[in-house]
Amino acid sequence: ILNVEQSPQSLHVQEGDSTNFTCSFPSSNFYALHWYRWETAKSPEALFVMTLNGDEKKKGRISATLNTKEGYSYLYIKGSQPEDSATYLCASHGAGNMLTFGGGTRLMVKT
Amino acid sequence: DTAVSQTPKYLVTQMGNDKSIKCEQNLGHDTMYWYKQDSKKFLKIMFSYNNKELIINETVPNRFSPKSPDKAHLNLHINSLELGDSAVYFCASSQDRLAKQYFGPGTRLTVL
Repeated sequence: ILNVEQSPQSLHVQEGDSTNFTCSFPSSNFYALHWYRWETAKSPEALFVMTLNGDEKKKGRISATLNTKEGYSYLYIKGSQPEDSATYLCASHGAGNMLTFGGGTRLMVKT
Repeated sequence: DTAVSQTPKYLVTQMGNDKSIKCEQNLGHDTMYWYKQDSKKFLKIMFSYNNKELIINETVPNRFSPKSPDKAHLNLHINSLELGDSAVYFCASSQDRLAKQYFGPGTRLTVL
C-alpha cells in the first residue's frame, strides 16, 4: 500500500514570505508525482506532474523539485500572496497504476 | 465551457436506496476517474477507467460500480446506500494515466 505523506499539515505565513512544504512517497515502482492546488469550495487544480529524478518545474511564483531515489518532492512558493491560500496536495503514481494522494498542506497567507 | 461536469451537485437520499452520479468531460481525454473525499478530507481513488481497462481500488465495496456509455462519460452507480457512503465524490479525467487530472466540481452525497 502506497503511503504518501505531506508536511506540515498546515502553515500560516505573512504576505511576502517565501515558504516550502514536503511530500514523501515510496520510491519503489515510481511513475509520476503530481502537485495540486485545492481552494475551499472548489476542485483540485493541477500544478505540476513530474516523472524524472531531479525534475524541476516552475509556474509563476510556485516551483517544485523531485527526488525519486529518496522519495520526496518539495513545493516552493516565493513571495506568498493571500490568493495563494489553499490546500496543496501531492499524489504519487506508483504500483497498482493508481494515484495516491497525501493529506495535503493547508497554507494560509495573512496580510 | 465546463471541462469536467458532474450532476447532481447535491444528493440527499435514504439508506438502502440506489443512486447514480453522472460525470461528463469535453476534453477528449481517454481516462476518467472517481474519487471519494473521506471524513478526514483525504481524496481516495475509487476507479480508474479508459476504453480498454477498468482498475478498481480493492477497498471499494462492490455496491459501487462505474458505467461508461462512451469515452466522454463515466457514471457512478451505488446500490443499497449506507450511512458511511455520505461524502463528496469527485470525477476527474486525464489524457492518459500519468498526465495531470482535471477534476469536476464534486457531488455531495448525504445518506439519511
